[in-house]
Amino acid sequence: DTVLTQSPALAVSPGERVSISCRASEGVNSYMHWYQQKPGQQPKLLIYKASNLASGVPARFSGSGSGTDFTLTIDPVEADDTATYFCQQSWNDPWTFGGGTKLELK
Amino acid sequence: QVQLQQSGAELVKPGSSVKISCKASGYTFTSYDMHWIKQQPGNGLEWIGWIYPGNGNTKYNQKFNGKATLTADKSSSTAYMQLSSLTSEDSAVYFCARDRGGFAYWGQGTLVTVSS
Repeated sequence: DTVLTQSPALAVSPGERVSISCRASEGVNSYMHWYQQKPGQQPKLLIYKASNLASGVPARFSGSGSGTDFTLTIDPVEADDTATYFCQQSWNDPWTFGGGTKLELK
Repeated sequence: QVQLQQSGAELVKPGSSVKISCKASGYTFTSYDMHWIKQQPGNGLEWIGWIYPGNGNTKYNQKFNGKATLTADKSSSTAYMQLSSLTSEDSAVYFCARDRGGFAYWGQGTLVTVSS
């Protein structure tokens, strides 16, 4: 299976820029997607196919990368962005998710 | 608007089976794959598989072969997932979700607790 590796946690101050990384154990072309999940809620799609902003998502969120290395950037970070962020690939079978990065605000 | 409404929480005994549902509305049910995803408490997400309601075709994560069975009822626009031979490892929240290029739509999740 394609393993997606994310750093477990980050802490940033409101107004700063934060980059969340996701590294795949094998190439996933551009079929990497990013989600935000808050406690007790379903995940919300932020970015699809590496760099496309999902409908209704603020332009503060952006995605980049291809192959095995991908990044979700939030600039500027707001208090409401406190959540866990997951990457997910849909290129290799089975589709897999990263372990999640918990974003905390200072 | 697209909505995926899942059935309520289940408390089931080890060794039994459970069938959870996902009722779709706001779009043509037979034109989109329906995916199922597992999330254990405090853990990450696992993709279980998908069903295409238009023709009943299914694709499973090999890990869930024999554990999960996906079906769909076109008449009621409802997708189902049956989980069999339940153990404590199957205790989780299960989500249905739509779309292949990133899951844009999700159900609210169904909590399955396996306990005697």
